[in-house]
Amino acid sequence: DAGITQSPRHKVTETGTPVTLRCHQTENHRYMYWYRQDPGHGLRLIHYSYGVKDTDKGEVSDGYSVSRSKTEDFLLTLESATSSQTSVYFCAISVVGAPDTQYFGPGTRLTVL
Amino acid sequence: GQQVMQIPQYQHVQEGEDFTTYCNSSTTLSNIQWYKQRPGGHPVFLIQLVKSGEVKKQKRLTFQFGEAKKNSSLHITATQTTDVGTYFCGQGAQKLVFGQGTRLTINP
Repeated sequence: DAGITQSPRHKVTETGTPVTLRCHQTENHRYMYWYRQDPGHGLRLIHYSYGVKDTDKGEVSDGYSVSRSKTEDFLLTLESATSSQTSVYFCAISVVGAPDTQYFGPGTRLTVL
Repeated sequence: GQQVMQIPQYQHVQEGEDFTTYCNSSTTLSNIQWYKQRPGGHPVFLIQLVKSGEVKKQKRLTFQFGEAKKNSSLHITATQTTDVGTYFCGQGAQKLVFGQGTRLTINP
């Protein structure tokens, strides 16, 4: 599992509240990613990071921000959660030497009421 | 960015039947990866194909990359209940783009 953990694993929140999801890895991987998974849409990239304080947007970044102040932690923040952000969120890392191969965390199921 | 279309979206088979999912692109792909996600689980890397016409096998799973590197397939021979899940293809470097996935269900 490449030493990836996500917290919380489940969260229910209300529209308009801020939410932060945490991805933690223990193996010093450079590249980290946040995806959301919705029925019929597969996995869609929200943001990714290629090092500490180096982040970039994915295809569905609106309404999300990220931060990476340490190699091991990649945080995803919903500044003001909306019902359309109800989803399963996966963090992933790329392994050096096989940069096209990704390993995923266990996921966070977020429900916005 | 490059898009990959994956078909079918759903497939239901009887145990022991074969199963195939396809990924197609309108542009040449640098590589293709395949992932499996069990119900309630997270995607797990299966394999990567890089060369034109490449064929790789993992037990009952056969992966192919087209000669033009615009399509790929995953074929499972004689499905078992452990094969249940969603199969995704993905392509790219650092920033992977995934197909929509094929959800496989099996009648035992």
